[in-house]
Amino acid sequence: DIQMTQSPSTLSASVGDRVTITCRASQSISSWLAWYQQKPGKAPKLLIYKASSLESGVPSRFSGSGSGTEFTLTISSLQPDDFATYYCQQYNSYSPSFGPGTKVDIK
Amino acid sequence: QVQLVQSGAEVKKPGASVKVSCKASGYTFTSYGISWVRQAPGQGLEWMGWISAYNGNTNYAQKLQGRVTMTTDTSTSTAYMELRSLRSDDTAVYYCARTTYYYDSSGYPKTYYFDYWGQGTLVTVSS
Repeated sequence: DIQMTQSPSTLSASVGDRVTITCRASQSISSWLAWYQQKPGKAPKLLIYKASSLESGVPSRFSGSGSGTEFTLTISSLQPDDFATYYCQQYNSYSPSFGPGTKVDIK
Repeated sequence: QVQLVQSGAEVKKPGASVKVSCKASGYTFTSYGISWVRQAPGQGLEWMGWISAYNGNTNYAQKLQGRVTMTTDTSTSTAYMELRSLRSDDTAVYYCARTTYYYDSSGYPKTYYFDYWGQGTLVTVSS
């Protein structure tokens, strides 16, 4: 199975900050990576797919990059609505798997 | 608009079974798959498996093999997930999610990402 890791596990930031979250895969997954945002008590929401494609309706301040084993999610200017937990997910293998999550909270 | 509406919360005793439903609307049900993902309290997301709504092909996470069954009813555009022999560590919110899939070069189905999610169903396992 492909193992996913994320760093940092928690990130404290202020409104307007540029935020970067890193996701690493235990083996190459090409660009088969998605990013999700989850708020407490809510279902995850798809933000990015195929490493860098923005899902329809997602603000352009979100962007994704990377390929192979290392990926990043960047929020160019953090907004109050962005405080949440972010998960990466690989779908290269027959068994998709998620990273452990990165919680973005208020500094 | 695409919607996935799940059944309500359940409380079960250890050893019992639970069956969660997920009713889809706003798209052609048989053109996609449905994946199931669970989240234990305060924990991350765990993929459980998926089912093709077109032909019923399934792929389950290895750790749940033998305890989980996923089915669909195309007449009502509803997917079901049944988990048997429940244990306390099965306590979690269970989500269904729509997924596109394709058949790879070996003819085996592979899923893509999950673009629409149900609201979640809390299953509590307690004696």
